[in-house]
Amino acid sequence: GAGVSQSPSNKVTEKGKDVELRCDPISGHTALYWYRQSLGQGLEFLIYFQGNSAPDKSGLPSDRFSAERTGGSVSTLTIQRTQQEDSAVYLCASSLEREQYFGPGTRLTVT
Amino acid sequence: QQQVKQSPQSLIVQKGGIPIINCAYENTAFDYFPWYQQFPGKGPALLIAIRPDVSEKKEGRFTISFNKSAKQFSLHIMDSQPGDSATYFCAASVHSTLTFGKGTMLLVS
Repeated sequence: GAGVSQSPSNKVTEKGKDVELRCDPISGHTALYWYRQSLGQGLEFLIYFQGNSAPDKSGLPSDRFSAERTGGSVSTLTIQRTQQEDSAVYLCASSLEREQYFGPGTRLTVT
Repeated sequence: QQQVKQSPQSLIVQKGGIPIINCAYENTAFDYFPWYQQFPGKGPALLIAIRPDVSEKKEGRFTISFNKSAKQFSLHIMDSQPGDSATYFCAASVHSTLTFGKGTMLLVS
């Protein structure tokens, strides 16, 4: 019954490897969002899931990024063939109405 | 195109002072304006939010002022404390996804 949880909290990967980031939203929240936070770009929207509707993928920066949400709950963000510019903190948020509640984030470092 | 402009980038106030952070938006379709507080190593935490049909909202020591005609809104922190030292983000949304300002680093000394 706590807040949004994300795992891992930190991930270091080599350039070219694939990574998966996980988000567990607040129970009962129908909407789930992924954002990316980097020094140069601030907080950027990536993808949004609402119930059983098709996700809004308009913020994904390239086709190397994808996400899925299974059973209307847990979500996984996958980045294929990681690049150094993918290094950032990846934040997940969930909501029932307009108020979005964020998890602690996953810090991704691509070496 | 930056849809939400936030200023200042950083701010230092003395304990007990009233820091004011300003945001301006371009998209008149925005209808929800939250403020988030973020401490290092943590995710953003929702502080307070306002809709454009009201000009002011207070929650504890935090107040949002909203000027629809000027397309501006601001956060005031009354009687600021050292524990308020954090980065503050304004945001705006139409239906769902949030568009964020670049953030303001506040130091209360």
